[in-house]
Amino acid sequence: KAGVTQTPRYLIKTRGQQVTLSCSPISGHRSVSWYQQTPGQGLQFLFEYFSETQRNKGNFPGRFSGRQFSNSRSEMNVSTLELGDSALYLCASSRTGQGGDNSPLHFGNGTRLTVT
Amino acid sequence: AQSVAQPEDQVNVAEGNPLTVKCTYSVSGNPYLFWYVQYPNRGLQFLLKYITGDNLVKGSYGFEAEFNKSQTSFHLKKPSALVSDSALYFCAVRDAGSARQLTFGSGTQLTVLP
Repeated sequence: KAGVTQTPRYLIKTRGQQVTLSCSPISGHRSVSWYQQTPGQGLQFLFEYFSETQRNKGNFPGRFSGRQFSNSRSEMNVSTLELGDSALYLCASSRTGQGGDNSPLHFGNGTRLTVT
Repeated sequence: AQSVAQPEDQVNVAEGNPLTVKCTYSVSGNPYLFWYVQYPNRGLQFLLKYITGDNLVKGSYGFEAEFNKSQTSFHLKKPSALVSDSALYFCAVRDAGSARQLTFGSGTQLTVLP
């Protein structure tokens, strides 16, 4: 069974640009969660999507947005990039979502975003 | 509100010795507790979880964790450390009575010395 796939693995962007990251969950998983990981702030929750609906949202500005498609694939968009957006962005999928049956999250290997 | 603390940024242990990575939590109700491990340039991998039942939970790769409700702790343990156990370990918690997402600790870098 294929794992969670995130593309691209690495990305370099300039301040002010926008970026779209993609996540394909494990087959049959309907929930996708996004996290930002930085050395200083650790793992911070961005949002969770379940069956194309945003179910939970973290404390990030509106420049960070996401969506989920009918095949459960998810995209995350960051507009007007800032230097502080440089981070590893991780997505995680699960069958029933984070408020569900406590099945573990399955993480992708992340997209390393560098903003210059 | 829910929170989790990993008081040690770095833990060093000699190969073959027992290891402990500490985690304490705070939730309003009953906790659901998880441990994940992250190797360099990889995502997090699930190790084990406590939902209910026995306080000692066994997981992958010989790891186990002990739930202690009175001390609100969920320490990760392994009887004999391997060099390949060197990685970043995260504890996570969710309040059983809520539909909120997991809250992760800040992570503990474990280094097993040969």
